[in-house]
Amino acid sequence: GNSVTQMEGPVTLSEEAFLTINCTYTATGYPSLFWYVQYPGEGLQLLLKATKADDKGSNKGFEATYRKETTSFHLEKGSVQVSDSAVYFCALTRLNTGNQFYFGTGTSLTVIP
Amino acid sequence: SQTIHQWPATLVQPVGSPLSLECTVEGTSNPNLYWYRQAAGRGLQLLFYSVGIGQISSEVPQNLSASRPQDRQFILSSKKLLLSDSGFYLCAWNDGAYNEQFFGPGTRLTVL
Repeated sequence: GNSVTQMEGPVTLSEEAFLTINCTYTATGYPSLFWYVQYPGEGLQLLLKATKADDKGSNKGFEATYRKETTSFHLEKGSVQVSDSAVYFCALTRLNTGNQFYFGTGTSLTVIP
Repeated sequence: SQTIHQWPATLVQPVGSPLSLECTVEGTSNPNLYWYRQAAGRGLQLLFYSVGIGQISSEVPQNLSASRPQDRQFILSSKKLLLSDSGFYLCAWNDGAYNEQFFGPGTRLTVL
């Protein structure tokens, strides 16, 4: 089946620290991979995505590379800011009936000044 | 452009009362629609999805039901709420043109 496993949180970092949130997936075929971000009290917003192996998604200083050999899509940022405090979700989809998405459990990030 | 609306934004209901949450999408036709629940400190749980009017697939047996009376309207209901129904309910959509899901702002439901 299809599933996503992501790093347990919560994660607390100081401003300007390096961030890595691990995400691995299980899927048949060739899924598309996503990172979504949820700010407090809001819905989810797409942060970045990659649709094929070796693609790198990037946005707002965040990056993630689709690694088929390790079935991973780790999220990284070189220097986090207080405004990056949020919950981050890794997800995958395959173009089947209903275009179902499979989400990880989310990782809460708090950045302190 | 496409937009997705959910209401109400917050709701406090007593145990045993009925529930109706509404989600509407604008700017697209025949979207796939989804209801998720996010319990406090937990991830997203897919509750229902729909690929067309009157077509509902349930992912988890529970106290809730969903309906899609119109192409861009998705309703989540319950006849009698339980304490465990408390959570943050998110509606989402996608279609064949966009390889991503778009989420609404969510409804915070508290059952007392």
